[in-house]
Amino acid sequence: AQSVTQLGSHVSVSEGALVLLRCNYSSSVPPYLFWYVQYPNQGLQLLLKYTSAATLVKGINGFEAEFKKSETSFHLTKPSAHMSDAAEYFCAVSDLDSNYQLIWGAGTKLIIKP
Amino acid sequence: ETGVTQSPTHLIKTRGQQVTLRCSSQSGHNTVSWYQQALGQGPQFIFQYYREEENGRGNFPPRFSGLQFPNYSSELNVNALELDDSALYLCASSPGQSGNTIYFGEGSWLTVV
Repeated sequence: AQSVTQLGSHVSVSEGALVLLRCNYSSSVPPYLFWYVQYPNQGLQLLLKYTSAATLVKGINGFEAEFKKSETSFHLTKPSAHMSDAAEYFCAVSDLDSNYQLIWGAGTKLIIKP
Repeated sequence: ETGVTQSPTHLIKTRGQQVTLRCSSQSGHNTVSWYQQALGQGPQFIFQYYREEENGRGNFPPRFSGLQFPNYSSELNVNALELDDSALYLCASSPGQSGNTIYFGEGSWLTVV
């Protein structure tokens, strides 16, 4: 069965520092992979999506993620954190086996220190 | 703005009551899915509708039911509300399935007391 693991329920970085949020997935068939962001008391906003094209995917707000099949990973990065990046980030996977239902990670809360 | 609108945004219900949540999908999207997100947790898939037919369901009891209308808008109904049903209910729409991006509404906050 498909699953998504996000390492670290909370990640704290200083403003201007590198952001790295980890996501590992399991899927027996080629997956679609997503990162969504959720600001407090709001819905989910798509950051970026991998669909078997380029392995390095660029998203909104300066975020990008790299699909590494050998490591079954899809980590999210941003070179320089901004205070406005403080939010909860969710990784999700979908594939043919799940009838393209999104399987979600538990989320990582990103905290930005001034 | 994703073009997905949900109503109401907040509501409070008493245990045992019934609730209906509504979702208007983005124009041209024929697939609607519903998620429950408890405080501090990730979304949990409830069910999905494609062209007015339910075509996928998560691990939720039958008292969670839904409808999709010819204009692809949707309703989520929950009967016999329990305290644990308190959560953010998210609706999402997409232009079909097959890994298409799904777009979320802002959600409906349900509190059961």
